[in-house]
Amino acid sequence: SQKIEQNSEALNIQEGKTATLTCNYTNYSPAYLQWYRQDPGRGPVFLLLIRENEKEKRKERLKVTFDTTLKQSLFHITASQPADSATYLCALDAFYNQGGKLIFGQGTELSVKP
Amino acid sequence: SAVISQKPSRDICQRGTSLTIQCQVDSQVTMMFWYRQQPGQSLTLIATANQGSEATYESGFVIDKFPISRPNLTFSTLTVSNMSPEDSSIYLCSVSLGSNQPQHFGDGTRLSIL
Repeated sequence: SQKIEQNSEALNIQEGKTATLTCNYTNYSPAYLQWYRQDPGRGPVFLLLIRENEKEKRKERLKVTFDTTLKQSLFHITASQPADSATYLCALDAFYNQGGKLIFGQGTELSVKP
Repeated sequence: SAVISQKPSRDICQRGTSLTIQCQVDSQVTMMFWYRQQPGQSLTLIATANQGSEATYESGFVIDKFPISRPNLTFSTLTVSNMSPEDSSIYLCSVSLGSNQPQHFGDGTRLSIL
């Protein structure tokens, strides 16, 4: 079955540095991969979607890469700020581009210190 | 994007009782999903709520325990039946505008069973 793994330990970085979060998957070739942010007591909020034929996607200070050979996505936050502190989830489509169902990783908790 | 409202936001229930959670969307959407998020864990898909037909349940979830209604394209309910302490969790609904589109989440219902 599909398996998704994210950095299991919390990531602590200094304000202004670049945060890099990892999402690895096995036993699957997804059509696309998504990243979400979740704050305590709130539902996940969509950040970025990258398709299998895209290597990189950017949105303001966020950058996502997708390496289908390595079966890995990297999520970067440049010039990080304390407000970026949250849990970040990656998600893959459960069936190749059909049904809209997602499988989520366990999330990585990011803490940005001033 | 869509705005999702969930009710109640939290509840404390007695063992053996049932609770119905409501999910209201501000626009018509094709795809609606129900997730469970146990403390410190990621999201697990319970079922896809289908308008006008029975919900499609994921492995490990059954209709008798988690009956779902979807009377129209803007509303769905999830009932957690015959609750036990193991059902203590956050229940989230989400919607998607298509199979390769982001999902938009409500803020969840935090359920505690005594």
